[in-house]
Amino acid sequence: GNSVTQMEGPVTLSEEAFLTINCTYTATGYPSLFWYVQYPGEGLQLLLKATKADDKGSNKGFEATYRKETTSFHLEKGSVQVSDSAVYFCALCSGNQFYFGTGTSLTVIP
Amino acid sequence: DTGVSQDPRHKITKRGQNVTFRCDPISEHNRLYWYRQTLGQGPEFLTYFQNEAQLEKSRLLSDRFSAERPKGSFSTLEIQRTEQGDSAMYLCASSSHPSDPDVETQYFGPGTRLLVL
Repeated sequence: GNSVTQMEGPVTLSEEAFLTINCTYTATGYPSLFWYVQYPGEGLQLLLKATKADDKGSNKGFEATYRKETTSFHLEKGSVQVSDSAVYFCALCSGNQFYFGTGTSLTVIP
Repeated sequence: DTGVSQDPRHKITKRGQNVTFRCDPISEHNRLYWYRQTLGQGPEFLTYFQNEAQLEKSRLLSDRFSAERPKGSFSTLEIQRTEQGDSAMYLCASSSHPSDPDVETQYFGPGTRLLVL
């Protein structure tokens, strides 16, 4: 079956620290992979995506690379800001159905 | 068009009552999705429509749950004989036409928070 496993939170970092949030997946076929972000009090927003192996998605300084060999799509940012505090969800799309991870809460402190 | 809208934003009901939620997608989008999200979890896919056709409903949680999109525009999600375990956030999302390479990118609404007493 299809599933997404995310690194458990919460994660607390100081401003300008390096961020990694791990995401691995199980899927039949060749899914597309996504990171969504939910800022406090707001709805889910697409952060970045990758549709095939070795693709790198990037947005707002965040990056994730679709690694078929390790079935992973880890989210990284070189220098986090207080405004990055949010919940981050990894997701996959296979056969027009979406599967989300449980979310990782990130708090960035000044 | 400012995005996906959902109504109501909050609903409190007593166990055993029926509830109906509405979702208005982005106007040019012809795919519409429903999810449930419980505290501390990610969205759980329930069903989706392409225009008025419901293409996947096997993941609806029980036969108490049903969804419609009669004219291919707005959609409703109904829960009959609500139970306390139905308390959750119900999310709607839309995406564009299947011929669009960006079709898998979903745009989410703010959700309807349901509390069953």
